[in-house]
Amino acid sequence: SQTIHQWPATLVQPVGSPLSLECTVEGTSNPNLYWYRQAAGRGLQLLFYSVGIGQISSEVPQNLSASRPQDRQFILSSKKLLLSDSGFYLCAWRRGQIPYYEQYFGPGTRLTVT
Amino acid sequence: GEDVEQSLFLSVREGDSSVINCTYTDSSSTYLYWYKQEPGAGLQLLTYIFSNMDMKQDQRLTVLLNKKDKHLSLRIADTQTGDSAIYFCAEITGNQGGKLIFGQGTELSVKP
Repeated sequence: SQTIHQWPATLVQPVGSPLSLECTVEGTSNPNLYWYRQAAGRGLQLLFYSVGIGQISSEVPQNLSASRPQDRQFILSSKKLLLSDSGFYLCAWRRGQIPYYEQYFGPGTRLTVT
Repeated sequence: GEDVEQSLFLSVREGDSSVINCTYTDSSSTYLYWYKQEPGAGLQLLTYIFSNMDMKQDQRLTVLLNKKDKHLSLRIADTQTGDSAIYFCAEITGNQGGKLIFGQGTELSVKP
Protein backbone atom coordinates (compact mmCIF):
# COMPACT_ATOMS: atom_id res chain seq x y z
CA SER A 1 0.00 0.00 0.00
CA GLN A 2 1.04 3.59 -0.50
CA THR A 3 2.18 5.84 2.33
CA ILE A 4 3.06 9.50 2.31
CA HIS A 5 5.39 11.02 4.89
CA GLN A 6 6.14 14.60 5.79
CA TRP A 7 8.69 16.06 8.13
CA PRO A 8 9.12 17.79 10.31
CA ALA A 9 5.68 17.66 11.88
CA THR A 10 6.07 21.10 13.44
CA LEU A 11 8.55 23.89 12.93
CA VAL A 12 9.08 27.30 14.47
CA GLN A 13 11.37 29.55 12.50
CA PRO A 14 12.35 33.24 12.75
CA VAL A 15 11.60 35.69 9.97
CA GLY A 16 14.39 35.72 7.42
CA SER A 17 15.55 32.17 8.08
CA PRO A 18 15.57 29.45 5.39
CA LEU A 19 13.06 26.65 5.12
CA SER A 20 13.12 23.07 3.91
CA LEU A 21 10.13 20.76 4.20
CA GLU A 22 10.29 17.23 2.90
CA CYS A 23 7.68 14.88 1.54
CA THR A 24 8.24 11.28 0.48
CA VAL A 25 5.89 8.67 -0.93
CA GLU A 26 6.26 4.91 -0.58
CA GLY A 27 4.63 2.13 -2.52
CA THR A 28 4.22 3.83 -5.88
CA SER A 29 6.47 5.03 -8.65
CA ASN A 30 6.45 8.26 -10.63
CA PRO A 31 3.59 9.80 -8.65
CA ASN A 32 2.23 13.25 -9.34
CA LEU A 33 2.99 15.25 -6.21
CA TYR A 34 1.47 18.43 -4.79
CA TRP A 35 2.22 21.02 -2.13
CA TYR A 36 -0.68 22.86 -0.53
CA ARG A 37 -0.83 25.49 2.18
CA GLN A 38 -3.72 25.74 4.58
CA ALA A 39 -3.93 29.09 6.32
CA ALA A 40 -5.87 29.75 9.51
CA GLY A 41 -8.96 30.42 7.47
CA ARG A 42 -9.02 26.73 6.44
CA GLY A 43 -8.89 27.21 2.69
CA LEU A 44 -6.43 25.05 0.80
CA GLN A 45 -4.13 26.80 -1.62
CA LEU A 46 -2.26 24.78 -4.21
CA LEU A 47 1.36 25.97 -4.28
CA PHE A 48 3.24 23.57 -6.55
CA TYR A 49 2.79 20.33 -8.37
CA SER A 50 5.19 17.97 -10.06
CA VAL A 51 4.66 15.31 -12.71
CA GLY A 52 8.19 13.93 -12.48
CA ILE A 53 11.81 14.41 -11.41
CA GLY A 54 12.92 18.00 -11.96
CA GLN A 55 9.49 19.08 -13.24
CA ILE A 56 7.80 21.72 -11.11
CA SER A 57 4.78 23.86 -11.85
CA SER A 58 4.15 26.88 -9.68
CA GLU A 59 0.60 27.91 -9.04
CA VAL A 60 1.09 31.06 -7.03
CA PRO A 61 4.17 33.32 -7.28
CA GLN A 62 5.51 33.87 -3.79
CA ASN A 63 8.39 33.44 -1.43
CA LEU A 64 8.55 29.66 -1.81
CA SER A 65 10.08 27.20 -4.24
CA ALA A 66 9.84 23.46 -4.76
CA SER A 67 12.14 20.78 -6.04
CA ARG A 68 11.86 17.12 -6.90
CA PRO A 69 15.31 15.60 -6.72
CA GLN A 70 14.09 11.98 -6.69
CA ASP A 71 11.07 10.15 -8.00
CA ARG A 72 9.27 9.95 -4.67
CA GLN A 73 10.68 13.01 -2.93
CA PHE A 74 9.23 16.51 -3.04
CA ILE A 75 10.81 19.42 -1.19
CA LEU A 76 9.40 22.84 -0.35
CA SER A 77 11.94 25.57 0.33
CA SER A 78 12.40 29.21 1.07
CA LYS A 79 15.55 31.30 1.28
CA LYS A 80 14.03 33.86 3.65
CA LEU A 81 10.80 33.23 5.51
CA LEU A 82 8.14 35.88 5.94
CA LEU A 83 5.55 36.08 8.68
CA SER A 84 2.91 35.37 6.05
CA ASP A 85 4.51 31.98 5.34
CA SER A 86 3.06 30.61 8.57
CA GLY A 87 0.52 27.88 8.01
CA PHE A 88 -0.09 24.17 7.68
CA TYR A 89 1.72 22.66 4.71
CA LEU A 90 0.32 19.55 3.14
CA CYS A 91 1.86 17.27 0.58
CA ALA A 92 -0.33 15.05 -1.57
CA TRP A 93 0.03 12.44 -4.29
CA ARG A 94 -2.32 11.48 -7.06
CA ARG A 95 -3.51 8.02 -7.99
CA GLY A 96 -5.05 7.74 -11.43
CA GLN A 97 -5.06 10.06 -14.40
CA ILE A 98 -6.88 13.28 -15.16
CA PRO A 99 -9.89 13.53 -15.12
CA TYR A 100 -10.41 10.40 -13.00
CA TYR A 101 -8.17 10.34 -9.99
CA GLU A 102 -7.89 10.38 -6.22
CA GLN A 103 -5.60 12.59 -4.23
CA TYR A 104 -4.12 11.46 -0.91
CA PHE A 105 -2.62 13.74 1.66
CA GLY A 106 0.24 13.46 4.09
CA PRO A 107 0.03 14.33 7.79
CA GLY A 108 1.19 17.92 7.25
CA THR A 109 3.80 20.26 8.70
CA ARG A 110 2.75 23.10 10.99
CA LEU A 111 5.06 26.08 10.32
CA THR A 112 5.09 29.09 12.60
CA VAL A 113 7.22 32.03 11.56
CA THR A 114 8.04 34.34 14.46
CA GLY B 1 -14.18 30.65 -12.49
CA GLU B 2 -14.56 27.42 -10.59
CA ASP B 3 -15.82 27.70 -7.05
CA VAL B 4 -16.95 25.34 -4.31
CA GLU B 5 -19.03 26.60 -1.42
CA GLN B 6 -19.93 25.08 1.92
CA SER B 7 -21.44 26.37 5.11
CA LEU B 8 -18.77 26.80 7.77
CA PHE B 9 -20.34 25.14 10.80
CA LEU B 10 -22.75 22.36 11.70
CA SER B 11 -23.67 21.11 15.16
CA VAL B 12 -25.55 17.88 15.84
CA ARG B 13 -26.33 15.59 18.75
CA GLU B 14 -24.63 12.24 19.05
CA GLY B 15 -26.75 9.57 17.37
CA ASP B 16 -28.46 12.00 15.00
CA SER B 17 -27.77 12.17 11.27
CA SER B 18 -25.54 14.92 9.92
CA VAL B 19 -25.97 16.41 6.48
CA ILE B 20 -23.16 18.53 5.07
CA ASN B 21 -23.93 20.42 1.89
CA CYS B 22 -21.78 21.74 -0.91
CA THR B 23 -22.40 23.59 -4.16
CA TYR B 24 -19.99 23.70 -7.06
CA THR B 25 -19.86 25.54 -10.35
CA ASP B 26 -17.97 23.39 -12.86
CA SER B 27 -20.51 21.28 -14.69
CA SER B 28 -17.72 19.29 -16.37
CA SER B 29 -16.42 17.89 -13.06
CA THR B 30 -15.86 14.16 -13.34
CA TYR B 31 -15.36 13.26 -9.70
CA LEU B 32 -16.56 15.00 -6.56
CA TYR B 33 -14.92 14.26 -3.25
CA TRP B 34 -15.41 14.44 0.47
CA TYR B 35 -12.40 14.77 2.74
CA LYS B 36 -12.24 14.74 6.53
CA GLN B 37 -9.67 16.68 8.54
CA GLU B 38 -9.25 16.05 12.24
CA PRO B 39 -7.45 18.68 14.35
CA GLY B 40 -3.77 18.92 13.50
CA ALA B 41 -3.96 16.20 10.86
CA GLY B 42 -3.89 15.97 7.10
CA LEU B 43 -6.93 15.46 4.89
CA GLN B 44 -8.36 11.96 4.73
CA LEU B 45 -10.23 10.96 1.59
CA LEU B 46 -13.59 9.73 2.84
CA THR B 47 -15.42 9.01 -0.34
CA TYR B 48 -15.99 10.24 -3.86
CA ILE B 49 -18.68 9.98 -6.47
CA PHE B 50 -18.64 9.85 -10.26
CA SER B 51 -20.47 12.72 -11.85
CA ASN B 52 -22.78 10.29 -13.65
CA MET B 53 -24.06 8.85 -10.36
CA ASP B 54 -26.83 10.18 -8.16
CA MET B 55 -25.98 8.40 -4.96
CA LYS B 56 -23.21 6.42 -3.34
CA GLN B 57 -23.46 4.64 0.00
CA ASP B 58 -20.57 3.42 2.09
CA GLN B 59 -21.48 2.16 5.56
CA ARG B 60 -22.64 5.22 7.54
CA LEU B 61 -21.86 7.61 4.70
CA THR B 62 -24.27 8.52 1.91
CA VAL B 63 -23.31 10.90 -0.86
CA LEU B 64 -26.04 12.51 -2.94
CA LEU B 65 -25.33 14.37 -6.16
CA ASN B 66 -27.75 16.66 -7.95
CA LYS B 67 -26.00 17.59 -11.18
CA LYS B 68 -28.76 19.87 -12.34
CA ASP B 69 -28.40 22.07 -9.27
CA LYS B 70 -24.66 21.35 -8.88
CA HIS B 71 -25.31 20.29 -5.32
CA LEU B 72 -23.46 17.63 -3.37
CA SER B 73 -24.24 16.39 0.12
CA LEU B 74 -22.68 14.04 2.63
CA ARG B 75 -24.94 12.34 5.13
CA ILE B 76 -23.43 10.68 8.17
CA ALA B 77 -25.82 8.32 9.91
CA ASP B 78 -25.66 7.76 13.69
CA THR B 79 -23.11 10.55 14.12
CA GLN B 80 -20.52 9.89 16.80
CA THR B 81 -18.20 12.22 18.71
CA GLY B 82 -15.34 10.76 16.65
CA ASP B 83 -16.96 12.26 13.57
CA SER B 84 -16.20 15.76 14.87
CA ALA B 85 -13.88 17.26 12.26
CA ILE B 86 -13.78 19.62 9.28
CA TYR B 87 -15.27 18.17 6.12
CA PHE B 88 -14.12 19.42 2.75
CA CYS B 89 -15.95 19.09 -0.52
CA ALA B 90 -13.79 19.14 -3.67
CA GLU B 91 -14.27 18.92 -7.42
CA ILE B 92 -11.97 18.25 -10.34
CA THR B 93 -11.98 21.25 -12.63
CA GLY B 94 -12.51 20.83 -16.32
CA ASN B 95 -10.03 23.64 -16.83
CA GLN B 96 -6.66 24.25 -15.18
CA GLY B 97 -5.32 20.79 -15.94
CA GLY B 98 -7.85 18.90 -13.86
CA LYS B 99 -6.84 20.36 -10.52
CA LEU B 100 -8.83 19.86 -7.36
CA ILE B 101 -10.81 22.84 -6.13
CA PHE B 102 -11.71 22.69 -2.45
CA GLY B 103 -14.46 24.32 -0.48
CA GLN B 104 -13.68 26.16 2.75
CA GLY B 105 -14.72 23.20 4.86
CA THR B 106 -17.61 22.59 7.23
CA GLU B 107 -16.72 22.15 10.87
CA LEU B 108 -18.91 19.42 12.31
CA SER B 109 -19.36 19.50 16.07
CA VAL B 110 -21.00 16.47 17.67
CA LYS B 111 -22.42 17.03 21.12
CA PRO B 112 -22.96 14.11 23.52
